[in-house]
Amino acid sequence: QKEVEQDPGPLSVPEGAIVSLNCTYSNSAFQYFMWYRQYSRKGPELLMYTYSSGNKEDGRFTAQVDKSSKYISLFIRDSQPSDSATYLCAMSATGFQKLVFGTGTRLLVSP
Amino acid sequence: DAGVTQSPTHLIKTRGQQVTLRCSPISGHKSVSWYQQVLGQGPQFIFQYYEKEERGRGNFPDRFSARQFPNYSSELNVNALLLGDSALYLCASLQGIEAFFGQGTRLTVV
Repeated sequence: QKEVEQDPGPLSVPEGAIVSLNCTYSNSAFQYFMWYRQYSRKGPELLMYTYSSGNKEDGRFTAQVDKSSKYISLFIRDSQPSDSATYLCAMSATGFQKLVFGTGTRLLVSP
Repeated sequence: DAGVTQSPTHLIKTRGQQVTLRCSPISGHKSVSWYQQVLGQGPQFIFQYYEKEERGRGNFPDRFSARQFPNYSSELNVNALLLGDSALYLCASLQGIEAFFGQGTRLTVV
């Protein structure tokens, strides 16, 4: 079993839709949870991170962490075609150790 | 303000050869990590260096090695290349919990 599970998609939505991206994990030691966006042939770009449980909002993006269920989510409101990319969740047990990534979910937002 | 720079951007090597990939972190960042991303998968951790010392190593064979220089730049070396080493190799410049990735080096082993 992988430490981090993520549905590879693709997830296709119309412009303006609310998108929900999710990851589950098995390692209860994870405390830092990140979301990265990766465009084709580019390196991952950090969108946001949260520590422990709770919600965090940044513009159209909201990250949620439920440690009791070992489940994290990223919501994108008012999705745009420019949001079309692969979204990777990543986790770390401490703030200065390796990141464990999910496989990434490919998102396609059609105009 | 320059981001993370990696070189070369693309590389084609033959099985059994050796390769060296280079990374310059963001100015002021003292720690770098290396990741391997196979097509269709998420990045996998290879190494982390802080102040020229190895701070972590992933589940990769000894054919993989790395080092960090006094100016905090880093090199990743892979010996005796296998077809399965074909991947995007990513360098991340670390500042606290935040990891900033470069564009990567796409290595193809033929």
